[in-house]
Amino acid sequence: GAVVSQHPSWVICKSGTSVKIECRSLDFQATTMFWYRQFPKQSLMLMATSNEGSKATYEQGVEKDKFLINHASLTLSTLTVTSAHPEDSSFYICSAVLARTDTQYFGPGTRLTVL
Amino acid sequence: GDSVTQMEGPVTLSEEAFLTINCTYTATGYPSLFWYVQYPGEGLQLLLKATKADDKGSNKGFEATYRKETTSFHLEKGSVQVSDSAVYFCALTGGGSNYKLTFGKGTLLTVNP
Repeated sequence: GAVVSQHPSWVICKSGTSVKIECRSLDFQATTMFWYRQFPKQSLMLMATSNEGSKATYEQGVEKDKFLINHASLTLSTLTVTSAHPEDSSFYICSAVLARTDTQYFGPGTRLTVL
Repeated sequence: GDSVTQMEGPVTLSEEAFLTINCTYTATGYPSLFWYVQYPGEGLQLLLKATKADDKGSNKGFEATYRKETTSFHLEKGSVQVSDSAVYFCALTGGGSNYKLTFGKGTLLTVNP
């Protein structure tokens, strides 16, 4: 149980285009999901907290207009990287909180490469 | 604010060796403590957790005990395998409805045959 999926697992795009990444909780409902970014050989950097039915809460220094988050249902949150540039290339990981616990379950990650 | 300090790697062991990865924390309130493991190119997997003092989390031969008196949550395994090679993250949440994780920097473990 408590499986989280991400789609796509990897994506290559041209500079200036937008990319959408989906995060789904497959066997549970999640009112809260998180989006992280991870650079090589580093820990995870929290980008934003996604709450179902409300606006996302962004961490300091994260551009909300660049990283659009939508948590449209209890099982789906999306991250859209708008007008992507090479510096946005990274490994993006989502997580979902299992209700009635404080445990985050992580997706397998999406590797974004912007050319 | 909350923080997690874990031993820096990399850690290199031979198969069947004993593993300890130290983790200490600073937190207000009553945190829950976690160990996550990340295999190359993958997301994080929950390895074990403990939600209150003196709780012991265990999974796949790994164990960690929530020690409030020493603010520690050290990860141990009696006999490591090559397949245990990964990055291990110690983390905490603030408890209650605060689900945000505070991570340590991660420890790379390499197990050689």
